[in-house]
Amino acid sequence: EVRLLESGGGLVQPGGSLRLSCEVFGYNFSAYAMNWVRQAPGKGLEWVSVINAGGDKTFHALSVRGRFSVSRDNSKNTVYLQMTGLRVDDAGLYFCVKDKYHEGPYFFDSWGQGTRVIVSS
Amino acid sequence: EVLLTQSPPTLSLSPGERATLSCRASHITSYLAWYQHRPGQSPRLLIYDTSNRAAGIPARFSGSGSGTDFTLTISSLEPEDFAVYYCHQRTNWPLSISFGQGTKLQIK
Repeated sequence: EVRLLESGGGLVQPGGSLRLSCEVFGYNFSAYAMNWVRQAPGKGLEWVSVINAGGDKTFHALSVRGRFSVSRDNSKNTVYLQMTGLRVDDAGLYFCVKDKYHEGPYFFDSWGQGTRVIVSS
Repeated sequence: EVLLTQSPPTLSLSPGERATLSCRASHITSYLAWYQHRPGQSPRLLIYDTSNRAAGIPARFSGSGSGTDFTLTISSLEPEDFAVYYCHQRTNWPLSISFGQGTKLQIK
């Protein structure tokens, strides 16, 4: 069974930093790209970042480019999202999402339960 | 950036009825998917590459379309199908990823 377990969310002040983690179980983690997708309160889904299977290519949405970075440790089956310069509109539920292919983002075929980020002073 | 517009925003139907959800892209896209999002749960991939059902998805779900116009059809609604549905696309050059704003499928 594929499981994705996010952690690291919480309350942070505007301008602050947070690192999200996602540990994965139940499939060959190193064979697939990983994504982060977020959902602001009462809003729809927004793709945030992707890292390819090998960990050497990343891409970010324009809204977070230059502030967020994504990395992975294939020996630990874990992907990370480092968020800096957080803004109020970065608040929301952050989902860790498995891509269907080794290069992404393409299609998101497994999702975690999400970890909540609150940005407030 | 490719914008996806879903219609209708809300669709009210009864169990057993047929549901037709639309997704229109502002530019031609080749990679189109549909997701189901039930309250309190994580989104679930239903359809990828316009018309391919994801693993474990019932045959009552089908996708069609091309270019800029895409459709998700649920042939006969089951109680568990009432949820929010999002379309999602990727275009390669320049790389653009976007979701539609969602269609809420509710019980009439």
